[in-house]
Amino acid sequence: DGGITQSPKYLFRKEGQNVTLSCEQNLNHDAMYWYRQDPGQGLRLIYYSQIVNDFQKGDIAEGYSVSREKKESFPLTVTSAQKNPTAFYLCASRTGGSSNQPQHFGDGTRLSIL
Amino acid sequence: AQSVTQPDIHITVSEGASLELRCNYSYGATPYLFWYVQSPGQGLQLLLKYFSGDTLVQGIKGFEAEFKRSQSSFNLRKPSVHWSDAAEYFCAVGGQGGSYIPTFGRGTSLIVHP
Repeated sequence: DGGITQSPKYLFRKEGQNVTLSCEQNLNHDAMYWYRQDPGQGLRLIYYSQIVNDFQKGDIAEGYSVSREKKESFPLTVTSAQKNPTAFYLCASRTGGSSNQPQHFGDGTRLSIL
Repeated sequence: AQSVTQPDIHITVSEGASLELRCNYSYGATPYLFWYVQSPGQGLQLLLKYFSGDTLVQGIKGFEAEFKRSQSSFNLRKPSVHWSDAAEYFCAVGGQGGSYIPTFGRGTSLIVHP
């Protein structure tokens, strides 16, 4: 079945440590997105990518980095510069070229600080 | 700029009662509108979408939504709520311009009493 796989489901970060969240999709979608979700704040866009080897900052990119070396993969690194990383992280993808297509979401990764 | 407002943070209904979740949007042209549902600890699942044509849209799980241009609204409805409908509901408007970045509301949490 086609879909988006996020791993791990739970992740713990130590002070000063960088951690990487994985997002893989087999939907052949061009566009991929990373969101951060905090209680009562909805979804906030961290980064997005519309094609391979290109990505753009979203509303809250500070302290995060991404890469898009393959169409199916869009990993997110939470760096030590992100002082409040505890949140639920969602990856999404969408067929490119039109805003009338919905996003497909993974099941998320919950990141906590040790 | 586009925006979405979900005025109700929480909604409590009794099982079997009808449901209406409100969504108001701001968009410069004909909007593309979506409703998603999120169960605890999971990603978002598309319930329904509006692009054009019939203003009453049917979705999965017995949900429907009505697009009202004059009121800039896209309210979600269900005639009889089941306990399994308890979840977080998000309204979103399709992005405009070349980036096609959707804008999400902050979500409405639905609580269902037996």
